[in-house]
Amino acid sequence: GAGVSQSPRYKVAKRGQDVALRCDPISGHVSLFWYQQALGQGPEFLTYFQNEAQLDKSGLPSDRFFAERPEGSVSTLKIQRTQQEDSAVYLCASSLAPGWVTEQFFGPGTRLTVL
Amino acid sequence: AQSVTQLDSHVSVSEGTPVLLRCNYSSSYSPSLFWYVQHPNKGLQLLLKYTSAATLVKGINGFEAEFKKSETSFHLTKPSAHMSDAAEYFCVVSDGDNNNDMRFGAGTRLTVKP
Repeated sequence: GAGVSQSPRYKVAKRGQDVALRCDPISGHVSLFWYQQALGQGPEFLTYFQNEAQLDKSGLPSDRFFAERPEGSVSTLKIQRTQQEDSAVYLCASSLAPGWVTEQFFGPGTRLTVL
Repeated sequence: AQSVTQLDSHVSVSEGTPVLLRCNYSSSYSPSLFWYVQHPNKGLQLLLKYTSAATLVKGINGFEAEFKKSETSFHLTKPSAHMSDAAEYFCVVSDGDNNNDMRFGAGTRLTVKP
């Protein structure tokens, strides 16, 4: 595809529900990042994949958050037992090389609202 | 750990006048610094980046930024604003300690008046 795509673009969940957010990175990109952007704030790092390996998950706020990239391409961010404080835009980015060396290309984000 | 402060949450300029978006950083190492732009309903786009080469960095759409180590600043400028520049701008710092950890500022919303 032309860029990073994310689905769904909008998700409304009742508190306690599980949600799954999908990211399709640019084909061939080695690195994949997830960020959380709260209203009026800048994005905050959640986790990083190099191919299928999750090399850094230090930004995940709790054990309710889980991310995977089993074949080194598409990634899914799962949030279990959602809470109101999970409401945010979740951004995915991919880059050609490992780490931050090359430019990160961002998707449009998934806006999650937890009622 | 590194951090970044964007000094203005909102900047308003008239079309054709200069733009200045201010950013100060804190880093224990030689930082890499970035400016990203976020238009409504679009993904973040890299405007420019500094990675210890020339201190004056030129980016896309006529933007540039100057790395000033003595002032720990990386302000974004453009000589003449265009209506299409209206967006949210983020200053980002990453240091050598953790290559995966990019710290974003809270953002500056730029409004351009006709």
